[in-house]
Amino acid sequence: EVQLVESGGGLIQPGGSLRLSCAASGFTVSSNYMSWVRQAPGKGLEWVSVIYSGGSTYYADSVKGRFTISRDNSKNTLYLQMNSLRAEDTAVYYCARAGGGSWGQGTLVTVSS
Amino acid sequence: DVVMTQSPLSLPVTLGQPASISCRSSQSLVYSDGNTYLNWFQQRPGQSPRRLIYKVSNRDSGVPDRFSGSGSGTDFTLKISRVEAEDVGVYYCMQGTHSKYTFGQGTKLEIK
Repeated sequence: EVQLVESGGGLIQPGGSLRLSCAASGFTVSSNYMSWVRQAPGKGLEWVSVIYSGGSTYYADSVKGRFTISRDNSKNTLYLQMNSLRAEDTAVYYCARAGGGSWGQGTLVTVSS
Repeated sequence: DVVMTQSPLSLPVTLGQPASISCRSSQSLVYSDGNTYLNWFQQRPGQSPRRLIYKVSNRDSGVPDRFSGSGSGTDFTLKISRVEAEDVGVYYCMQGTHSKYTFGQGTKLEIK
């Protein structure tokens, strides 16, 4: 059974850093393209980043230069390193497999002083 | 970036009646491999999104056959043949053709 479990969210001050993790089971992360998607409170879905099986990465303009997507093949885990966090980054962050075929339960990131 | 525009944004529907959601993209979604990476998602209240349709018209496993997707190029539609109570939620289209994926604004389906 495919499962995705996000962790690492929490309350962080503006300008701070946080690393989100997405532990996968039931499939191999490195053989799939994996995305991060976020949802601000009461708002719609916003695509954040993708990493392809070959290692190519792409980012939304709103996070480019601040966020970094990566994976650890030995741990079958996807990551999102978030730096220079802003209030507008407050959201539930989801990881998703391939074209959104599977999603995690999400982890809440709150950026506030 | 590709802009995805959904309509309507609010969709009140009577139980048992059909429903239709439109999604238009600002650029063609046909990829160089010939595929069109347009997906539809359902997000029920308090839940993670769930994919219903991939590559325009392919239903995901476990998705009732009352859901169907169609379209081509820049113009796509999600149809529900007979709305049931469990279909309440927000529906999103998403393009995965261009390297920066984008979602539509979402269409909130409610029972009239």
